[in-house]
Amino acid sequence: NAGVTQTPKFQVLKTGQSMTLQCAQDMNHNSMYWYRQDPGMGLRLIYYSASEGTTDKGEVPNGYNVSRLNKREFSLRLESAAPSQTSVYFCASRPLDGRPATDTQYFGPGTRLTVL
Amino acid sequence: AQSVTQPDIHITVSEGASLELRCNYSYGATPYLFWYVQSPGQGLQLLLKYFSGDTLVQGIKGFEAEFKRSQSSFNLRKPSVHWSDAAEYFCAVGEDSNYQLIWGAGTKLIIKP
Repeated sequence: NAGVTQTPKFQVLKTGQSMTLQCAQDMNHNSMYWYRQDPGMGLRLIYYSASEGTTDKGEVPNGYNVSRLNKREFSLRLESAAPSQTSVYFCASRPLDGRPATDTQYFGPGTRLTVL
Repeated sequence: AQSVTQPDIHITVSEGASLELRCNYSYGATPYLFWYVQSPGQGLQLLLKYFSGDTLVQGIKGFEAEFKRSQSSFNLRKPSVHWSDAAEYFCAVGEDSNYQLIWGAGTKLIIKP
């Protein structure tokens, strides 16, 4: 199993450009998440998808959109990138299958995004 | 509001010394509690979690944590640290019915030779 994969690993954009970050998981998990990580601020939730076909805003959704394409894939789109969106982006998945013993979030390796 | 506090931004310990990283939370219900580790340039890896039962939880890499409801704490401990433990450690809290986890800001562990 590859676990959670993210592409690309690195990206540099100019202000106003758009791009989509891709995330896929092969663990048959129900829920998926997008976080951004900035120094000294821990992880902040951008959007999440509790199950296939649903998406909800997290703590910092402005400037982002998401698509839960199917159970495996959850993409994050920046329509018009801004320097404030320079960050490291992590995708995660979680079983949420009612079994607490295995309930945790599994993280991808991250995408380092710089917006000039 | 729900919150997680990791009061130490940085901690420096000597290799072979003991370690305790603090985590305090504010949460209405009985929480699930997690500790994750992030090595430089890497994603986050689960160290251990508490969801019920024994309040002393054993994790990977020789770590343990104790849930103290009266103190709203879930401190992470290791009796003897190794240079490879240098990383950033995150505490998080959540519950099954709430899809979101609340994250602390992290504690960066520095190991002195």
